Amino acid sequence: AQTVTQSQPEMSVQEAETVTLSCTYDTSESDYYLFWYKQPPSRQMILVIRQEAYKQQNATENRFSVNFQKAAKSFSLKISDSQLGDAAMYFCAYRASYDKVIFGPGTSLSVIP
Amino acid sequence: DADVTQTPRNRITKTGKRIMLECSQTKGHDRMYWYRQDPGLGLRLIYYSFDVKDINKGEISDGYSVSRQAQAKFSLSLESAIPNQTALYFCATSDADGSNQPQHFGDGTRLSIL
Repeated sequence: AQTVTQSQPEMSVQEAETVTLSCTYDTSESDYYLFWYKQPPSRQMILVIRQEAYKQQNATENRFSVNFQKAAKSFSLKISDSQLGDAAMYFCAYRASYDKVIFGPGTSLSVIP
Repeated sequence: DADVTQTPRNRITKTGKRIMLECSQTKGHDRMYWYRQDPGLGLRLIYYSFDVKDINKGEISDGYSVSRQAQAKFSLSLESAIPNQTALYFCATSDADGSNQPQHFGDGTRLSIL
């Protein structure tokens, strides 16, 4: 069965600094998709970034980028120039083709002014 | 207006009560999902539906049931609520065309069972 692991329950970063959140997953599939979602205190689930497994190039969305290592089954999220509004719970998620999404347990990120 | 609307936003009820959480969407998506979120466990899938005539159990369906009344509506019921069903519940939708499409979430229902 597919699983998603986030080994850092809590992280903190100084404002304007860079932080990396870790995610690993287990699958026997070759075609799948990976996502990072952000959940601020308002509890909305907001898509941050997505990555297709067939693409070697790492996805980037403004200050957010990923380091996708397919062989290692690793999908980390890097947040550059951290802002106070980045404080939230971050969930890594996996989806095989046309299948349901599996979420990791989440990492709570604090941003220190 | 929100694309995915959940009602109620918050609910406190007693053990043994029947509860229905409702979800409606204006995105025109075929696929709808119900999750529960617990601290340290992330989001776990309760039920999902890929179209109106399709209902599937997720990893934690015991104690829950669902109804897909229309493409736009997917409700979750707790037939006899128990305290360990206290959680934050999310409804989500996704487009059938393309697995790279993200899920779109409602704002959640915080359910407390006393």
